[in-house]
Amino acid sequence: DADVTQTPRNRITKTGKRIMLECSQTKGHDRMYWYRQDPGLGLRLIYYSFDVKDINKGEISDGYSVSRQAQAKFSLSLESAIPNQTALYFCATSDPSGTDNEQFFGPGTRLTVL
Amino acid sequence: GQNIDQPTEMTATEGAIVQINCTYQTSGFNGLFWYQQHAGEAPTFLSYNVLDGLEEKGRFSSFLSRSKGYSYLLLKELQMKDSASYLCAVRPGGFKTIFGAGTRLFVKA
Repeated sequence: DADVTQTPRNRITKTGKRIMLECSQTKGHDRMYWYRQDPGLGLRLIYYSFDVKDINKGEISDGYSVSRQAQAKFSLSLESAIPNQTALYFCATSDPSGTDNEQFFGPGTRLTVL
Repeated sequence: GQNIDQPTEMTATEGAIVQINCTYQTSGFNGLFWYQQHAGEAPTFLSYNVLDGLEEKGRFSSFLSRSKGYSYLLLKELQMKDSASYLCAVRPGGFKTIFGAGTRLFVKA
């Protein structure tokens, strides 16, 4: 089974709808992240969390909110989706005590806002 | 500001060697990463450099020069499955990571 999972994998929605993207991990990592990826742009950080009590905004948090329900779960919400939020969304985890401190990514959620 | 530059696309031949360059200007430096990303899939970790020099891992090597704000990823004995995007990423400090737009590598027979 995958260590980092995301649901749904694909979603098409309409402008103004509320959408929740979910991320779960079995790696036991405290740190979790949400990124979006757009063609021609790098991965951009939306929100990050050090643990269940610590949530922080990334570089593009406007229009998004998050919830860290448990160490293993980190959800991203779009309160009122708009077309320019159409993108590929990735959840990631990391372990600060790891050798290289790399991030482990989920498979991604492709979101289309019409 | 923070900036990472890498070529948009490169093409190389199966069996050859290719070097993907990355230059960065960041407010600080606490490590540089290379990730591989196949189309429509998640990025996967390839290498990490925090000190100057070359790190070798099988067919892949990564080089860092902190004074020049420069890194490269070297792929040897190219295989068709190496066709992917390669993302250069820098940790300016703490735990945040800044990603470049990626270099799309096409390997032809």
